[in-house]
Amino acid sequence: SQKIEQNSEALNIQEGKTATLTCNYTNYSPAYLQWYRQDPGRGPVFLLLIRENEKEKRKERLKVTFDTTLKQSLFHITASQPADSATYLCALTGGGSYIPTFGRGTSLIVHP
Amino acid sequence: GAVVSQHPSRVICKSGTSVKIECRSLDFQATTMFWYRQFPKKSLMLMATSNEGSKATYEQGVEKDKFLINHASLTLSTLTVTSAHPEDSSFYICSATWREGYEQYFGPGTRLTVT
Repeated sequence: SQKIEQNSEALNIQEGKTATLTCNYTNYSPAYLQWYRQDPGRGPVFLLLIRENEKEKRKERLKVTFDTTLKQSLFHITASQPADSATYLCALTGGGSYIPTFGRGTSLIVHP
Repeated sequence: GAVVSQHPSRVICKSGTSVKIECRSLDFQATTMFWYRQFPKKSLMLMATSNEGSKATYEQGVEKDKFLINHASLTLSTLTVTSAHPEDSSFYICSATWREGYEQYFGPGTRLTVT
């Protein structure tokens, strides 16, 4: 089965810097890779989806890259703000199943 | 954007009673809805997948007689926790999608406390 690794340690950065979060997977190459944001006590919110044949996707201050050779996706938030503080989850779909597998998430803390 | 509502947001019930949680897609028709459970500081745990008009598919280890799922229409799914016990206390979240394998839209979650 697919295994997803996200850094369990919180990422602390200063406001204005670029935050980079990592999602590594260990098995088959997913057809789609998604990133979600989750605030405490709330359901996740969809941010971006990238397909296996895409290298990069952008949306406002967000950028996602997808490297199927490294089996890794990077999630960047440029010009980070304290309001970006949250847990970010990656999810993968593929291998014949349409049901996404979620990582455990990485907590991002942006300090003013 | 796609909006999913979930009701109630919080519920406290006595041990042995049943609790129903509703999940609605407000502005789209969901081909598939998912039910998750999440423990503090843990990842989402998929409980079951449901399609409108058919029986839910439960993940291994999830008791289908305890967690009853009814996907009545393309916009409504319900999860009933039957004969609730304190160990059922958790954060339950539903999600919906109209494109299998693509992004999911999550409800705000329901905090269940069984006393």
